[in-house]
Amino acid sequence: KAGVTQTPRYLIKTRGQQVTLSCSPISGHRSVSWYQQTPGQGLQFLFEYFSETQRNKGNFPGRFSGRQFSNSRSEMNVSTLELGDSALYLCASSSGLRPTSTDTQYFGPGTRLTVL
Amino acid sequence: QKEVEQNSGPLSVPEGAIASLNCTYSDRGSQSFFWYRQYSGKSPELIMFIYSNGDKEDGRFTAQLNKASQYVSLLIRDSQPSDSATYLCAGTSGYSTLTFGKGTMLLVSP
Repeated sequence: KAGVTQTPRYLIKTRGQQVTLSCSPISGHRSVSWYQQTPGQGLQFLFEYFSETQRNKGNFPGRFSGRQFSNSRSEMNVSTLELGDSALYLCASSSGLRPTSTDTQYFGPGTRLTVL
Repeated sequence: QKEVEQNSGPLSVPEGAIASLNCTYSDRGSQSFFWYRQYSGKSPELIMFIYSNGDKEDGRFTAQLNKASQYVSLLIRDSQPSDSATYLCAGTSGYSTLTFGKGTMLLVSP
């Protein structure tokens, strides 16, 4: 079974630009969660989509948005990039049910975003 | 504010020793806890899951949960240099939303 895939793997942008990241979950998984990882803050939850609906949202500004398509693929968008947005962006997929020993989150390889 | 706290380390242990990694959490509503291992430059990889008080063993790994003390731990027996990584503790109280600690770096010396 193929794992979680993320594209692109690396991105370099300048301040003020916008960026779109893509995530394809494991086949059959309907939930996609997005996380931002930085050395100072660790892994922080951005948002979670289940069956095309945002089910939960973390404490990030409105510049961060996302969506999920009918095939469960998800995209996240960051507008008006700031230097502090430089981070590893990880998506994780799961079946979407209440977390149990049979329904855990599996992470993709991440997209490394550098804002200059 | 839901928080998961971990000592950042590094925790240094010799090869063959037991490594003990600890985590505390603030949200009493947290029901399930996960330990992920993250090698430098890689994404987190799930090691263990626990949701009941007590111990759960899987090979060289034992997770321990004490909900009264709001405390989770991971023991790694017979530590190997390949275990050197950052270990992330995460808790959840809802659907697919994990709250992560900042991780503990483990260094296992040959």
